[in-house]
Amino acid sequence: ELKVEQNPLFLSMQEGKNYTIYCNYSTTSDRLYWYRQDPGKSLESLFVLLSNGAVKQEGRLMASLDTKARLSTLHITAAVHDLSATYFCAVASYNNNDMRFGAGTRLTVKP
Amino acid sequence: NAGVMQNPRHLVRRRGQEARLRCSPMKGHSHVYWYRQLPEEGLKFMVYLQKENIIDESGMPKERFSAEFPKEGPSILRIQQVVRGDSAAYFCASSKTGGASNEQFFGPGTRLTVL
Repeated sequence: ELKVEQNPLFLSMQEGKNYTIYCNYSTTSDRLYWYRQDPGKSLESLFVLLSNGAVKQEGRLMASLDTKARLSTLHITAAVHDLSATYFCAVASYNNNDMRFGAGTRLTVKP
Repeated sequence: NAGVMQNPRHLVRRRGQEARLRCSPMKGHSHVYWYRQLPEEGLKFMVYLQKENIIDESGMPKERFSAEFPKEGPSILRIQQVVRGDSAAYFCASSKTGGASNEQFFGPGTRLTVL
């Protein structure tokens, strides 16, 4: 069964600092997603990672994928308050119909 | 170009009542997925449908829950005889082609509260 684990689950950062969120998954997958969710809102797609070694960057966020290690990272550079949200990774298994989500990382950026 | 639409956005029911949640996929999308999010948790897959077909319902509770996606109209997630544990946010997603390897776009969710 496909399992997706994120850590940390809670992250409190100072503005201007860097940090990395980790997403491990248990079986082979050909696609990994990162989403952002603000309180009471829906999910906003951040990144879609398709292949081993894929790296994507948008603003202060950078995501990477290592399919051999079954690991994706979401790196935050010089955090700002606007990045406060819950971040989820989700993994699609090629022959499955469902997408499995991690439990989420609740990020709080303090001034 | 409207995104995925869900209604109602908020739904309050008393124990034992029925809840009907609706989802209209994005234009051009014929695949619909329902997920449930309990407070402070990630999303959990419930069911995947195409028009008039249930493709995968492995995440649906065995009783009280059902889903449909008729030829015309929105997809419906129906919960009969709701209990307090059904209180959650229910998200619908749609994709142009099928399977979890195709990007899914999420609706705003329906927040169900069972009193």
